[in-house]
Amino acid sequence: QSVLTQPPSVSAAPGQSITISCSRGSSSVGETFISWYLQVAGTAPKLLIHDNEKRPSGIPDRFSGSRSGTSATLGITGLQTGDEATYFCGTWDYSLRAWVFGGGTKLTVL
Amino acid sequence: QVQLVESGGGVVQPGKSLRLSCVASGFTFSSSGMHWVRQAPGKGLEWVAVIWFDGSNAYYGDSVKGRFTISRDNSKNTLYLQMNSLRPEDTGTYYCARDAGDYASFFKDWGQGTLVTVSS
Repeated sequence: QSVLTQPPSVSAAPGQSITISCSRGSSSVGETFISWYLQVAGTAPKLLIHDNEKRPSGIPDRFSGSRSGTSATLGITGLQTGDEATYFCGTWDYSLRAWVFGGGTKLTVL
Repeated sequence: QVQLVESGGGVVQPGKSLRLSCVASGFTFSSSGMHWVRQAPGKGLEWVAVIWFDGSNAYYGDSVKGRFTISRDNSKNTLYLQMNSLRPEDTGTYYCARDAGDYASFFKDWGQGTLVTVSS
């Protein structure tokens, strides 16, 4: 069971928008920075968003991150078939002295 | 460009040992915290360990504490993971990853992974 909770799957049609949540139960993820990673099947993970909302160079502005209350959220607009992947959130847990990840959300673009 | 190339994976019997390596290039290796992250087949990401830029400190995930040791040789731009007392549940793809800072920033770059299979 993951320390961070994500929906296991989400689907939408090309051109539509989706959001993926990442929550940590009663503890607010607002206390630490969340990063997001995408993993296309059979390949290594890749950094998508860091420090809750910052995009590395080369990541399109269709991808966005935010945090509010007990959740962080990844948003993707203008869905493309190439966005099909599993998306993970992660953060450093200072009390555990460990990195923790969400279980991953598989995005299907119908 | 940044490259992280893992090696050393393979099939090993339960209870045996294995050492993974990760050769880094394209950035100042001696200035970056480095991690190992693993992924069991069909499962999510599990953080394994992190080592400070200078090797002075390390943290481990609970499932590997006492069995795995992370180390680095900055003169060789190489990260290591010594895995002892291997268990079937250690099976998976092992990725090395570069921290954007010391150990708690984010995983800026990832290697392609090396597969470890623990089976009799």
